[in-house]
Amino acid sequence: EDQVTQSPEALRLQEGESSSLNCSYTVSGLRGLFWYRQDPGKGPEFLFTLYSAGEEKEKERLKATLTKKESFLHITAPKPEDSATYLCAVYDSWGKLQFGAGTQVVVTP
Amino acid sequence: DAMVIQNPRYQVTQFGKPVTLSCSQTLNHNVMYWYQQKSSQAPKLLFHYYDKDFNNEADTPDNFQSRRPNTSFCFLDIRSPGLGDAAMYLCATSRESMAGGPFTQTYEQYFGPGTRLTVT
Repeated sequence: EDQVTQSPEALRLQEGESSSLNCSYTVSGLRGLFWYRQDPGKGPEFLFTLYSAGEEKEKERLKATLTKKESFLHITAPKPEDSATYLCAVYDSWGKLQFGAGTQVVVTP
Repeated sequence: DAMVIQNPRYQVTQFGKPVTLSCSQTLNHNVMYWYQQKSSQAPKLLFHYYDKDFNNEADTPDNFQSRRPNTSFCFLDIRSPGLGDAAMYLCATSRESMAGGPFTQTYEQYFGPGTRLTVT
């Protein structure tokens, strides 16, 4: 069965304290892994697409990496404005985008 | 800027009173999706249009219907809202190709800001 699991569920960081979020997946024939940021009461905002193991993408303080079984979203020296829920998603065997439950990140000054 | 727009942002309806949510896009994407998202949960796909072809998820209640009159617009109709239908409704779009088989070329989905539906 296709599954996407994110950990931890919640993460509380001090400003400047780097950390990583994990997204593990079980899907045959990966056709893209996507990271989104979602602020409360808003729609998910697209961050990155990763297609193959070894691929990396960066945007400001965020860096996404991909292996054959999981992806990591590294947050380097986070700021309070990085507080959000981070969602990862993969296309499953039926061509449907399957989301993980998300990691809620809170960055305190 | 190219974007996905949803109206209204907030909708209050009464139990059993039909409601329509709208979505428009300026991205010229061929696929449009409707998701339901409840508090602290992942978005749940209700249905999607691949061009004009409508695809309903097996577990989407009959109470939910959709229309796509043209490439740019898509509507979600809830015929008789119940209290359990209170949620955030998200519209998304993507550019996809079926060349080489179903969904062999998959691209990121772009989401609108959502419509928060309250049922009283």
